[in-house]
Amino acid sequence: SQQGEEDPQALSIQEGENATMNCSYKTSINNLQWYRQNSGRGLVHLILIRSNEREKHSGRLRVTLDTSKKSSSLLITASRAADTASYFCATDASEPQGAQKLVFGQGTRLTINP
Amino acid sequence: EAEVAQSPRYKITEKSQAVAFWCDPISGHATLYWYRQILGQGPELLVQFQDESVVDDSQLPKDRFSAERLKGVDSTLKIQPAELGDSAMYLCASSSGLYTGELFFGEGSRLTVL
Repeated sequence: SQQGEEDPQALSIQEGENATMNCSYKTSINNLQWYRQNSGRGLVHLILIRSNEREKHSGRLRVTLDTSKKSSSLLITASRAADTASYFCATDASEPQGAQKLVFGQGTRLTINP
Repeated sequence: EAEVAQSPRYKITEKSQAVAFWCDPISGHATLYWYRQILGQGPELLVQFQDESVVDDSQLPKDRFSAERLKGVDSTLKIQPAELGDSAMYLCASSSGLYTGELFFGEGSRLTVL
């Protein structure tokens, strides 16, 4: 079952523009992670935000988390052609003291046009 | 840089045949995951190991799928017999912790069942 739902499913922008992707989920979480996947390749971890955090930055990435709305957003600033990939949010809704169990959303396919 | 190794990279088989995938996680990572990713969708967890023990295999179709991690290091995922609907990318990931943290993915094994 998929807990996270990304929006939009596909996004196409010009190089240099900012890209924003959203993720909504259904149950309370311990943490939320974002991953990138180039076509036909494995996933690469981008950033992890815990349930008690509201915003995190990593280079050109900015992630926000609103637990009251059960949603998160990933902002990529000053996009580059190399950012073309699919982006997935993954939520950990495991029980306290339980093993982490990440559930991935369906992903947003981002295309950066030169 | 340490990587998760997977083989084979591509596998084409006919339905009813047996197929096996191998994964070698990053050295020292006690937690190992097998995910299945159907084209255009997010990864879905099949099985999770902590050392040699299964932590979660609730989504593993046990009538045809099996997974083992005998010595708590590398792992094998087997499908027998393969069905047309098994065509997907099979991703292996590892993490250093059982309770939280990023997952490191291999490049995946692309299975096509004819």
